[in-house]
Amino acid sequence: DTGVSQDPRHKITKRGQNVTFRCDPISEHNRLYWYRQTLGQGPEFLTYFQNEAQLEKSRLLSDRFSAERPKGSFSTLEIQRTEQGDSAMYLCASSLPDQSGTNPYSKRTDTQYFGPGTRLTVL
Amino acid sequence: GQNIDQPTEMTATEGAIVQINCTYQTSGFNGLFWYQQHAGEAPTFLSYNVLDGLEEKGRFSSFLSRSKGYSYLLLKELQMKDSASYLCAVYNQGGKLIFGQGTELSVKP
Repeated sequence: DTGVSQDPRHKITKRGQNVTFRCDPISEHNRLYWYRQTLGQGPEFLTYFQNEAQLEKSRLLSDRFSAERPKGSFSTLEIQRTEQGDSAMYLCASSLPDQSGTNPYSKRTDTQYFGPGTRLTVL
Repeated sequence: GQNIDQPTEMTATEGAIVQINCTYQTSGFNGLFWYQQHAGEAPTFLSYNVLDGLEEKGRFSSFLSRSKGYSYLLLKELQMKDSASYLCAVYNQGGKLIFGQGTELSVKP
């Protein structure tokens, strides 16, 4: 257990429905990342936050996807009008905050710790 | 473009040593991670290399050559529980990880 939790662990939905996933990072971590992983592939980056600010979104993230982190703690990922191609494992990760004056290549800062994932199946 | 290559599958014998290679070509590079992922579970952190050279941690070692765009993960004294997928990931500018497809390692008795 890394300390990152995700809910739900499994979600089965019908095509066209909306779904929302939640991620709770390790408490002192201010960076939070979302990745998507399909069978036999490595995780693909979707988006990330530093505190409540969404700093980067992948081109993989269509307009049907939206992520929020309103208070800089937990985050939600919503998928609207789900499609069968959205079926995947959605992984959340968090990392320790940057601290000014520390080595920018600090292992403490850079290591991302992953939650158990939410497996989405779209029928 | 971003390209990270690692073998799809490897098989090794319990007690042996195995080396999993990873080559990368990315537009930015701040370091290279190795993660272990058992089926149906989240990736767990194994190692992180920023500078060239070998880093050893128990039965696991990781090597990086930035000039060659090459890394390897070395697993010694293999155990059955080491059967898993091993993910190579480049830590890119901006903080995201770019993963290879993973190497599925099977350890046989």
